[in-house]
Amino acid sequence: EVQLLESGGGLVQPGGSLRLSCAASGFTFSTYAMSWVRQAPGKGLEWVSGITNTGGTTYYADSVKGRFTISRDNSKNTLYLQMNSLRAEDTAVYFCANFWLVTGPLWGQGTLVTVSS
Amino acid sequence: EIVLTQSPATLSLSPGERATLSCRASQSVSRYLAWYQQKPGQSPRLLFFDASNRATGIPARFSVSGSGTDFTLTISSLEPEDFAVYYCQHRSNWPLTFGGGTKVEIK
Repeated sequence: EVQLLESGGGLVQPGGSLRLSCAASGFTFSTYAMSWVRQAPGKGLEWVSGITNTGGTTYYADSVKGRFTISRDNSKNTLYLQMNSLRAEDTAVYFCANFWLVTGPLWGQGTLVTVSS
Repeated sequence: EIVLTQSPATLSLSPGERATLSCRASQSVSRYLAWYQQKPGQSPRLLFFDASNRATGIPARFSVSGSGTDFTLTISSLEPEDFAVYYCQHRSNWPLTFGGGTKVEIK
């Protein structure tokens, strides 16, 4: 089954760090670019970061540039998002996604990150 | 960055009526546009991708048109379960972006 499964969300204090993981299955992970998308409570969808299939090039939204780092381990079929210097406005459900499958975009179920003291 | 502008922000309609949602891109996204439906507390549900490819299980009352910079999602006759927020999203180049959403609410 084609699937993405996020983990690593939770409650963190402002200024803290958290690392999200996304385990991919059912497709050749190393072939595809991947992305992270988030949705703050009551807000719309926001693309956060992307990475090419080899990991050689990364992209970030201005809102997270310099604080978040996307990476991948193709040997483990896993995507990561290292989030540092977290702020209250980073509170959101974080989704990993593959937007390049021939069968259409694939999303995970999301993991909630809450930044609060 | 390609900006996707969805209009209207809110659409107030009755069941059985026709809904027409617009997504306009600040520059061409070719056919690399997707549409999603989202209900409260749920993850986005894919409706269409690459402009016109219908996702699995999407009813025929949903249709799309457009390419380049102007796209339209039409719901021919609203069912109660169609009242939700709809988003467009492109994958034409980096950064990917989403539209701000159109809320289809019961009048």
